[in-house]
Amino acid sequence: SAVISQKPSRDICQRGTSLTIQCQVDSQVTMMFWYRQQPGQSLTLIATANQGSEATYESGFVIDKFPISRPNLTFSTLTVSNMSPEDSSIYLCSVIGQGPREQYFGPGTRLTVT
Amino acid sequence: RKEVEQDPGPFNVPEGATVAFNCTYSNSASQSFFWYRQDCRKEPKLLMSVYSSGNEDGRFTAQLNRASQYISLLIRDSKLSDSATYLCVVNGAGGSYIPTFGRGTSLIVHP
Repeated sequence: SAVISQKPSRDICQRGTSLTIQCQVDSQVTMMFWYRQQPGQSLTLIATANQGSEATYESGFVIDKFPISRPNLTFSTLTVSNMSPEDSSIYLCSVIGQGPREQYFGPGTRLTVT
Repeated sequence: RKEVEQDPGPFNVPEGATVAFNCTYSNSASQSFFWYRQDCRKEPKLLMSVYSSGNEDGRFTAQLNRASQYISLLIRDSKLSDSATYLCVVNGAGGSYIPTFGRGTSLIVHP
């Protein structure tokens, strides 16, 4: 298994500002993902964070709004830019460990935009 | 048709009951299957992988039916602490590691 930490665990931000969320994994992993989950809803994949290159974004998500960095195999950041209340959500970092493609999640960052 | 479909429930059962959830998937080339559990306001946590031959872990049994393209989760002797949302996850189609999540099935176990 992989142990994942995220910072911050929660934040309340003003409209128009940006927040960077950090994800740290205790072991090297190949695949890292960023998801968001709104209350009562399922997980929505934002992007796959690629080590040393641009992230791969899912439909409806763009780099200008959600820039992602992944400088090495254990760390990634997601920035939520120019925030609006619609960005209020839980943002989850996730990895796939070595072996049978089991996926693990960080504890999430609870973002509220006012 | 959604790639992974689950009945959202909620399934409302008494303690001690046996309850089963199904999850259907559309991509016949999918290779890996999992059940996750998500408690309210918490991240999803891996409950069990689903193997072709079926597998059991205590009160939980998972099965895969490739011909009909569904996986199932059976919970025996339900406990109050089993109340959660159960997410079905499928990946590996075409060599892709991108997991596809179902919307989850909500289980409520009452006294």
